[in-house]
Amino acid sequence: GAVVSQHPSRVICKSGTSVKIECRSLDFQATTMFWYRQFPKKSLMLMATSNEGSKATYEQGVEKDKFLINHASLTLSTLTVTSAHPEDSSFYICSARDRTGVIHEQFFGPGTRLTVL
Amino acid sequence: GNSVTQMEGPVTLSEEAFLTINCTYTATGYPSLFWYVQYPGEGLQLLLKATKADDKGSNKGFEATYRKETTSFHLEKGSVQVSDSAVYFCALITNAGKSTFGDGTTLTVKP
Repeated sequence: GAVVSQHPSRVICKSGTSVKIECRSLDFQATTMFWYRQFPKKSLMLMATSNEGSKATYEQGVEKDKFLINHASLTLSTLTVTSAHPEDSSFYICSARDRTGVIHEQFFGPGTRLTVL
Repeated sequence: GNSVTQMEGPVTLSEEAFLTINCTYTATGYPSLFWYVQYPGEGLQLLLKATKADDKGSNKGFEATYRKETTSFHLEKGSVQVSDSAVYFCALITNAGKSTFGDGTTLTVKP
C-alpha cells in the first residue's frame, strides 16, 4: 500500500514552453502533498506544500507564478512549470501524506526528470 | 529553523564491511526521524524510521536509534552488500508535517 506515482517520469521540452507534472496517490487519499526539487548530487529542497481544495503554500524563494500547483482532488496534485528555462532542469519529486495516517508519514513518488533545452 | 547534518561522502566500502553514516539534527519539539535511500535515477524510498526517543528503526539489516540526548540518528549496517550502493538521506519531520533533509551521503560498495 501507500503508493505514489508521478507522470511523466521524464520530459524534455523547449525553452519557453510549459510542462505539467502529475502526482497521484494510488491507494490512499492525500489531503496534503509536497513538491520537492533535487539538484544533481544535492539534497531535496521543499518547494511547496499542496493542500486539497486550497492554495499551495510556497517556500521562501520559490516563484509561485512560475511553479503553479493545483491539488484538485484527494488523489491528485499537479505542478506546472511555466515558461520553462534551462535553469529549471531538475529532478522533481512529490510526496503525499495519508489523510488517515499519522501526521509524519510521507510517501514519495519516483520523481520526474525535467530537461529544458 | 530545523536542520539535519549528515556525514559527508562519498563513502566507499568493501563488501561485508561495517557501515556507519552519522546524522545529527536540530529541531524544536519532538520530530520523527527517517532514513531514506535513493538508487540512481529513482525517487526516495523509506528505509527506516523512529518516532520517539530511544526508538530503534530497522529494515534490511540497517538500524538507527533515536538519541535525544545527542540529537543523533546514525545509520548502521553490520555487513554491506554491493546492492546497498545508493545515496542515503537522513530527514526529520515535525509534528506539523514540515520536513527537513540532510544533504545525502553516497555509498559505494565494492565487491
